[in-house]
Amino acid sequence: AQSVTQPDIHITVSEGASLELRCNYSYGATPYLFWYVQSPGQGLQLLLKYFSGDTLVQGIKGFEAEFKRSQSSFNLRKPSVHWSDAAEYFCAVGAGTGANNLFFGTGTRLTVIP
Amino acid sequence: GAVVSQHPSWVICKSGTSVKIECRSLDFQATTMFWYRQFPKQSLMLMATSNEGSKATYEQGVEKDKFLINHASLTLSTLTVTSAHPEDSSFYICSAPVPGRLVEQYFGPGTRLTVT
Repeated sequence: AQSVTQPDIHITVSEGASLELRCNYSYGATPYLFWYVQSPGQGLQLLLKYFSGDTLVQGIKGFEAEFKRSQSSFNLRKPSVHWSDAAEYFCAVGAGTGANNLFFGTGTRLTVIP
Repeated sequence: GAVVSQHPSWVICKSGTSVKIECRSLDFQATTMFWYRQFPKQSLMLMATSNEGSKATYEQGVEKDKFLINHASLTLSTLTVTSAHPEDSSFYICSAPVPGRLVEQYFGPGTRLTVT
């Protein structure tokens, strides 16, 4: 069965510091992997996705993620965090026909301190 | 700007009443839409797939008689929570596939339902 684990419920970083949010997945086939960000009152916004090819993918807002099949991981990184990055981050795996069935992790809440 | 809207964004209702939540695709058509439920501190769980002109497909464990879904047009899907109870209180989110993009979805901002 598909599942996504985000082991960190809440992370606090200082503005300008680097960031890594962890995501591990369980899926029997080659996964479609996503990172979404959710801000209060806003819909989930896609940061980046991995379907195939280069395992290091670049997204919006300076985020990147690396797919590591051997570790079943898809960690999200950013070299320098901005205060506006404070939000809830969700990792998801797409499954089923067209991969429209998305399985989400429980999310990681990011707090950025000045 | 938002490409999927939801209305209302927040609703409080009394136990036993029904509540309708609308999900609209803006400036694009969606023959399929998805409804998710999000509990506090938990992930989004897919409830059902809404299909324009046909019956919705419900995920295992979701009561289709309680969560009525209607997809009457190519830009509108509605979720009606019938005879709501406090345990139905949650955050409901809809999404629609991005036209021309494999797998990607646009998500609505969500509707907070509180049943008293």
